Amino acid sequence: DAGITQSPRHKVTETGTPVTLRCHQTENHRYMYWYRQDPGHGLRLIHYSYGVKDTDKGEVSDGYSVSRSKTEDFLLTLESATSSQTSVYFCATKGSQETQYFGPGTRLLVL
Amino acid sequence: AQSVTQLDSQVPVFEEAPVELRCNYSSSVSVYLFWYVQYPNQGLQLLLKYLSGSTLVESINGFEAEFNKSQTSFHLRKPSVHISDTAEYFCAVSDADTDKLIFGTGTRLQVFP
Repeated sequence: DAGITQSPRHKVTETGTPVTLRCHQTENHRYMYWYRQDPGHGLRLIHYSYGVKDTDKGEVSDGYSVSRSKTEDFLLTLESATSSQTSVYFCATKGSQETQYFGPGTRLLVL
Repeated sequence: AQSVTQLDSQVPVFEEAPVELRCNYSSSVSVYLFWYVQYPNQGLQLLLKYLSGSTLVESINGFEAEFNKSQTSFHLRKPSVHISDTAEYFCAVSDADTDKLIFGTGTRLQVFP
């Protein structure tokens, strides 16, 4: 268990509003990731970070931005939420031996 | 780009029967392979992984997977399943020179009494 928490755990919002999801880790892992999970698609990488202020895009980055100002926190922002962004969002960190550890997830519903 | 295929979206099986969940990946020179398990309303947990060395890897709860380079496969097996094994299983792969995991679409294992 890499001590990963996500907040909020559930959120309902309206189309066009900004949304920020937070991931917090206590293991001092360098790499952090944001995924979304949708039926029939498995997990898809949105953005990842390889250090403070160092981020890169993943497979499905359009409509999302991220920030990492501290090692322990990785924020995912939906600038203007759309219904297609309704999903379950998972944060992960990478520890030793290439293993990724996952948080409990955030369920987001965009109406 | 690397890709992962899990052909079976659902696998129903009776308790104490054997099971195999299939995973194939696209060819690459050097890969790391993983199986993750997701129980309902939870995050993913690592089940087992292959990084190098012995091609047969085992988990603490009786699952095993074999890395087959010639067939680019990493199938997950268990000789006798329990009700508690009911979950969704994800195969994932990363190239040795990247920091990203590519996931398959998942296989839902349903164990019936």
